[in-house]
Amino acid sequence: DAGVIQSPRHEVTEMGQEVTLRCKPISGHDYLFWYRQTMMRGLELLIYFNNNVPIDDSGMPEDRFSAKMPNASFSTLKIQPSEPRDSAVYFCASQLAGAYEQYFGPGTRLTVT
Amino acid sequence: GEDVEQSLFLSVREGDSSVINCTYTDSSSTYLYWYKQEPGAGLQLLTYIFSNMDMKQDQRLTVLLNKKDKHLSLRIADTQTGDSAIYFCAESDSGGGADGLTFGKGTHLIIQP
Repeated sequence: DAGVIQSPRHEVTEMGQEVTLRCKPISGHDYLFWYRQTMMRGLELLIYFNNNVPIDDSGMPEDRFSAKMPNASFSTLKIQPSEPRDSAVYFCASQLAGAYEQYFGPGTRLTVT
Repeated sequence: GEDVEQSLFLSVREGDSSVINCTYTDSSSTYLYWYKQEPGAGLQLLTYIFSNMDMKQDQRLTVLLNKKDKHLSLRIADTQTGDSAIYFCAESDSGGGADGLTFGKGTHLIIQP
């Protein structure tokens, strides 16, 4: 299995632009998680899905952030408009229902100038 | 709220044992995890332990859990240069995927020759 796939690996954009991060979970996994990692706050859960349905989005920082999962093999995290404080590494992870292991993708490093 | 605490740095000599400590506050934590992050990479799951266990061993890794004191430790025997990374402790109320993980800030393991 290829593991969790994220794209792009690096994104540099200007303040005010729309940014879309993409994730393909491990095939057959029922849960998908989006995390953000910064030096100041560490790793934070933003939102997670179960069977493509958002379950908990309480970690999404503002209305500028939105996430979708149109099917079992694809999810997006969108920031519109982006701000410099959104600069971070964004991780996607997936997990099989009933299992205990959560597998992470390589992350997308976002820089907003 | 839930909180997971770790020391920021640990320095050990190559060949010695490394012990990375973690404390957590959530008494309902059911599953506790150790992840490893190498520079520029995603998080690699090393091991996990259920709250009804005291110890788990996997090759060079030994996890000890003191549920009364809410203290978790990861011991790496015969530490090698390849073990140099950031180690994250994480907890979950439901390892089956009912929620995301709460992470500590990570411990930077530095290996001295």
